[in-house]
Amino acid sequence: AQSVTQLDSHVSVSEGTPVLLRCNYSSSYSPSLFWYVQHPNKGLQLLLKYTSAATLVKGINGFEAEFKKSETSFHLTKPSAHMSDAAEYFCVVSDRNDYKLSFGAGTTVTVRA
Amino acid sequence: GAGVSQSPSNKVTEKGKDVELRCDPISGHTALYWYRQSLGQGLEFLIYFQGNSAPDKSGLPSDRFSAERTGGSVSTLTIQRTQQEDSAVYLCASSLVSGPSGSSGEQFFGPGTRLTVL
Repeated sequence: AQSVTQLDSHVSVSEGTPVLLRCNYSSSYSPSLFWYVQHPNKGLQLLLKYTSAATLVKGINGFEAEFKKSETSFHLTKPSAHMSDAAEYFCVVSDRNDYKLSFGAGTTVTVRA
Repeated sequence: GAGVSQSPSNKVTEKGKDVELRCDPISGHTALYWYRQSLGQGLEFLIYFQGNSAPDKSGLPSDRFSAERTGGSVSTLTIQRTQQEDSAVYLCASSLVSGPSGSSGEQFFGPGTRLTVL
């Protein structure tokens, strides 16, 4: 069985400063890992995914994440936050051949002007 | 092209009534998923369709919940005799599915239906 722990329920950053969202996973098999973003009253949008290729994954809107097997982590970063990054972010895991996604509890990001 | 659409966007109902939630997946996507997003429970998997069949119903919380999919396209999630604890946002997703193992690739999500049971 797989599971995800997002270490911060809320992150507040100033515009133009780096963003770090932390995620640890547990998986019985080789996992696929994802980060999704949800803006208010909008659907979930995929930011990026790791499926066994390069461990540093680049996504949309300047986000990237690094898969670290030894630490069972998949932290999401962005060098410079923008006001439009204010949203809820979900770290998600699935076993490689499993369709079922397991979501973390989410991290709410606020961006201060 | 069009994404996943869901209707209604909001539904308010009285305890004990039945409700139907609709999902229109992306054209050509053979796999369809229902999730529930509620306070305190986060996002939970409910059911998965491959074509019109549902090989995995393990996430349905009770026998009051059922879902069907017709024509390999539209899906309806039905909740009978609604309870207050059914209040949540119900999300639908679809994906291209390849291979018998059900590996899914990217799941594209709809905007959800917010259900409020009074």
